[in-house]
Amino acid sequence: GESVGLHLPTLSVQEGDNSIINCAYSNSASDYFIWYKQESGKGPQFIIDIRSNMDKRQGQRVTVLLNKTVKHLSLQIAATQPGDSAVYFCAEDFGNEKLTFGTGTRLTIIP
Amino acid sequence: DGGITQSPKYLFRKEGQNVTLSCEQNLNHDAMYWYRQDPGQGLRLIYYSQIVNDFQKGDIAEGYSVSREKKESFPLTVTSAQKNPTAFYLCASSMSQETQYFGPGTRLLVL
Repeated sequence: GESVGLHLPTLSVQEGDNSIINCAYSNSASDYFIWYKQESGKGPQFIIDIRSNMDKRQGQRVTVLLNKTVKHLSLQIAATQPGDSAVYFCAEDFGNEKLTFGTGTRLTIIP
Repeated sequence: DGGITQSPKYLFRKEGQNVTLSCEQNLNHDAMYWYRQDPGQGLRLIYYSQIVNDFQKGDIAEGYSVSREKKESFPLTVTSAQKNPTAFYLCASSMSQETQYFGPGTRLLVL
């Protein structure tokens, strides 16, 4: 079956360094991808999205890269701050108005 | 303020009891969704609704019911048939084929 997964369940990064969170997807028909940030006890918060006709999209301190050849999605966070500590999810839209979520990566920022 | 609200924040259910979780949005979004999140896991879709008076089962609909009588509201009932209801429940909404935005969640615990 189709799945969205993450390479690493946990990631620790020194404050001020850049972090990269990876996500693999297997449905070549997916046309829309979203990254969410979830802090403990809260609902997921939209970070950035990208459509399949793009390779890269930048936001404030975040960049999403999409490699359709290897079905890989990544989220880069520049100059990480303590407030970046959270679980990060990628989500995939097959075009049927439903999202499929990965299990998440826990990002911990080390002061 | 525009957004999605969920209530209550915590809900306790006795064995054999039905409980209803509230979800309201004032974003004028057409679609609404209910997800269940278990510890250390991603989000699983329970039910979704793309228009008023219509809804579809998601991946884990058994033991749950919903209604969509108003565009702004999409309540979820956890019935006594749901044998393992303890989880974090998240409601989301979106314009058609656009990003889903999440509420703050309701944590359901069984007494």
